[in-house]
Amino acid sequence: EAGVAQSPRYKIIEKRQSVAFWCNPISGHATLYWYQQILGQGPKLLIQFQNNGVVDDSQLPKDRFSAERLKGVDSTLKIQPAKLEDSAVYLCASSPGPGTGIGYTFGSGTRLTVV
Amino acid sequence: SQQGEEDPQALSIQEGENATMNCSYKTSINNLQWYRQNSGRGLVHLILIRSNEREKHSGRLRVTLDTSKKSSSLLITASRAADTASYFCATVTGGGNKLTFGTGTQLKVEL
Repeated sequence: EAGVAQSPRYKIIEKRQSVAFWCNPISGHATLYWYQQILGQGPKLLIQFQNNGVVDDSQLPKDRFSAERLKGVDSTLKIQPAKLEDSAVYLCASSPGPGTGIGYTFGSGTRLTVV
Repeated sequence: SQQGEEDPQALSIQEGENATMNCSYKTSINNLQWYRQNSGRGLVHLILIRSNEREKHSGRLRVTLDTSKKSSSLLITASRAADTASYFCATVTGGGNKLTFGTGTQLKVEL
């Protein structure tokens, strides 16, 4: 089965610019997650979708970050405007849904550097 | 916020030795999962243990869960240089099955 696809792999932008990341989850997976991982730390959940609805976005900095999941499949995460502290790896993950007892599958991530 | 705290933060052992990592968490869980992350790469799921299970095995991995102490441990037996990576515990909580990661343990296995 194909894995979780993310693009781009790397992105360098200047502060105050905008950037967008794309994620294509495993086919049929209802739940999709975006995580931010700062170097040396564990991943921090930004937003969780169940199909195309938001389940949890309590840690998403909504003044600059936005995310959508159109038709319950692909998802995009946008940062506008970017700050230096947004430099991190952005990970997308998907799972079949609650109660399946299956681990989540992660993409390779997008490494963002804000200069 | 981080749900789990892992101990130790870093661990260095010789090939063939066993490696033990511990994870403590704060709230009731649905299940607990362990992931491995090689430098600069994505997270790979290793093993999942449900809240009503106490021990689980997968190959050279053994996971224990003590819900009364809100803690879990991951044992890697007969370690190999290829096991060098960061290891994270992650808890699944709530009706929405939120997956929250710990701080991680950096394991280095030397030849």
